[in-house]
Amino acid sequence: GDSVTQMEGPVTLSEEAFLTINCTYTATGYPSLFWYVQYPGEGLQLLLKATKADDKGSNKGFEATYRKETTSFHLEKGSVQVSDSAVYFCALRSGGSNYKLTFGKGTLLTVNP
Amino acid sequence: DAGVIQSPRHEVTEMGQEVTLRCKPISGHDYLFWYRQTMMRGLELLIYFNNNVPIDDSGMPEDRFSAKMPNASFSTLKIQPSEPRDSAVYFCASSLALQGTSPLHFGNGTRLTVT
Repeated sequence: GDSVTQMEGPVTLSEEAFLTINCTYTATGYPSLFWYVQYPGEGLQLLLKATKADDKGSNKGFEATYRKETTSFHLEKGSVQVSDSAVYFCALRSGGSNYKLTFGKGTLLTVNP
Repeated sequence: DAGVIQSPRHEVTEMGQEVTLRCKPISGHDYLFWYRQTMMRGLELLIYFNNNVPIDDSGMPEDRFSAKMPNASFSTLKIQPSEPRDSAVYFCASSLALQGTSPLHFGNGTRLTVT
């Protein structure tokens, strides 16, 4: 079945540092890939998405590139802010799981001033 | 657009009591999902509905859990009787479609504590 593996947190960075959160996946066929973000006390919200190989999703300074050859979708940001502190979830959707979203376990990011 | 609305935000109950969680999806969304989030197991899909009909309840942990969607604007998740291991944050989410990149819109969750 489909699965998503994220780097384990927590990740603690200083403001303006570079961020990478690794995500790899196993899926049937060609999945769509997503990053969701969960701020404290809130539900998850879509951060960015990509639907095919070499697509780059981007939003709020975050980027992730769909790499089919390495089955990866790593999240990056060049300069993090305190307001980026949240839990980040990598997810995929494919026909192999009847198009239900499969989530990774989440990575807690804390950015210190 | 008010988003997905869940109630209550917090629920504290004693073991053995019945618990009912409520959800109002975004108007026009055909799909509604119930998730459970814990530190140990992460996000788990419990059940989802399409046009008010339950499609996949394979994630419902046991018979103590039940979910209904009597109309397009309301769903409930009921636990009877509740147990301490049910303590978690329960999220409701809705979406326009299941395939492609149609995103899930989550509510702010109900934090359930069973003592």
